[in-house]
Amino acid sequence: NAGVTQTPKFQVLKTGQSMTLQCAQDMNHEYMSWYRQDPGMGLRLIHYSVGAGITDQGEVPNGYNVSRSTTEDFPLRLLSAAPSQTSVYFCASSYQASYNEQFFGPGTRLTVL
Amino acid sequence: LAKTTQPISMDSYEGQEVNITCSHNNIATNDYITWYQQFPSQGPRFIIQGYKTKVTNEVASLFIPADRKSSTLSLPRVSLSDTAVYYCSLFSGGYNKLIFGAGTRLAVHP
Repeated sequence: NAGVTQTPKFQVLKTGQSMTLQCAQDMNHEYMSWYRQDPGMGLRLIHYSVGAGITDQGEVPNGYNVSRSTTEDFPLRLLSAAPSQTSVYFCASSYQASYNEQFFGPGTRLTVL
Repeated sequence: LAKTTQPISMDSYEGQEVNITCSHNNIATNDYITWYQQFPSQGPRFIIQGYKTKVTNEVASLFIPADRKSSTLSLPRVSLSDTAVYYCSLFSGGYNKLIFGAGTRLAVHP
């Protein structure tokens, strides 16, 4: 199993550009989520999904969109990038929306100029 | 949603036991306490999870008092490779959300 994979590893955008961060898992996990990590602030939940076709907002959802058309994939879309979205983004998955451990991907480092 | 508070940093030496305490005064009835470890340029990795009393696995122990307003992660006999950031987090079963604290940066010295 590849686990949780994220692409790209690094990305530089200009203000106002849009892009999609890809996340995929091959563990047949129902629950998937996106976090952003900024220096000194730990990880903050952006959006999450408890199964295909179901998504919901986390702590910091503004400026981001998600969809979950399949169990395996959970892309994160930046609609109009802003410098405040410069961060490291982590995708995670777990067997179900419960107290099970979450498995994290390697992260995408995004810089918005 | 309940927040967690933990020390910003700690120092230890190889072979010592390290205890990291996390405060979560407003923990909800259906919240689970979970600890993650993160190395530079990697995603967090699950260490241990508990609801109350004591939980132990092959790498750590988690102590949770009866009122559940705090928890302590215990790492026995740390080595240099345990140098990392440790996150105390709460999984809210009612909201299906995992909320992280700011993390404790542990430095293990020779």
